[in-house]
Amino acid sequence: GAGVSQTPSNKVTEKGKYVELRCDPISGHTALYWYRQSLGQGPEFLIYFQGTGAADDSGLPNDRFFAVRPEGSVSTLKIQRTERGDSAVYLCASSRDPGAGNTIYFGEGSWLTVV
Amino acid sequence: SQQGEEDPQALSIQEGENATMNCSYKTSINNLQWYRQNSGRGLVHLILIRSNEREKHSGRLRVTLDTSKKSSSLLITASRAADTASYFCATEGTGRRALTFGSGTRLQVQP
Repeated sequence: GAGVSQTPSNKVTEKGKYVELRCDPISGHTALYWYRQSLGQGPEFLIYFQGTGAADDSGLPNDRFFAVRPEGSVSTLKIQRTERGDSAVYLCASSRDPGAGNTIYFGEGSWLTVV
Repeated sequence: SQQGEEDPQALSIQEGENATMNCSYKTSINNLQWYRQNSGRGLVHLILIRSNEREKHSGRLRVTLDTSKKSSSLLITASRAADTASYFCATEGTGRRALTFGSGTRLQVQP
């Protein structure tokens, strides 16, 4: 597609439930990033993939969060046992390769609300 | 955690005026980038300045970088109501590929 596509755009779930958020990066982009943004704050890094492997997962807040990118294209962010504090916009981004200075393109985000 | 601070946190100006936003960061960087965000959704890349550059222009945007002070500024000249948005600086550190964002400046341009 022309840009980074994220689904769903909005998700309301009950505390304790499992959630999956999907990201479809720009075709040909090998680097994929997940960020989380709370209201009034800047995006906070979660995880970065180079191809199929997680090159840096140091931003994942705890073991309830997990992300995969099995074929080096689409990625899924998985959140287990959701908590109200997980409510945020989850942003996905991609870039052509991880070389320094490549423009990173962001999707519109998935707004997660845990009630 | 977030890399830096943007200053001011909020800025309100009249159409036609210039808007200046500042960003400070803490670690060594490869480059610094500025992004724009409308209504808390997707970020749009505006401009990138490398660590060996001091100033860069793109249309009505002017970015400066002072690596000795670990700071950058974004100037928007002749602002328009459509420039109303949040603006974020983001750094690519020398040890990490992923960008680290500041907390943003919310710009309001009054028509």
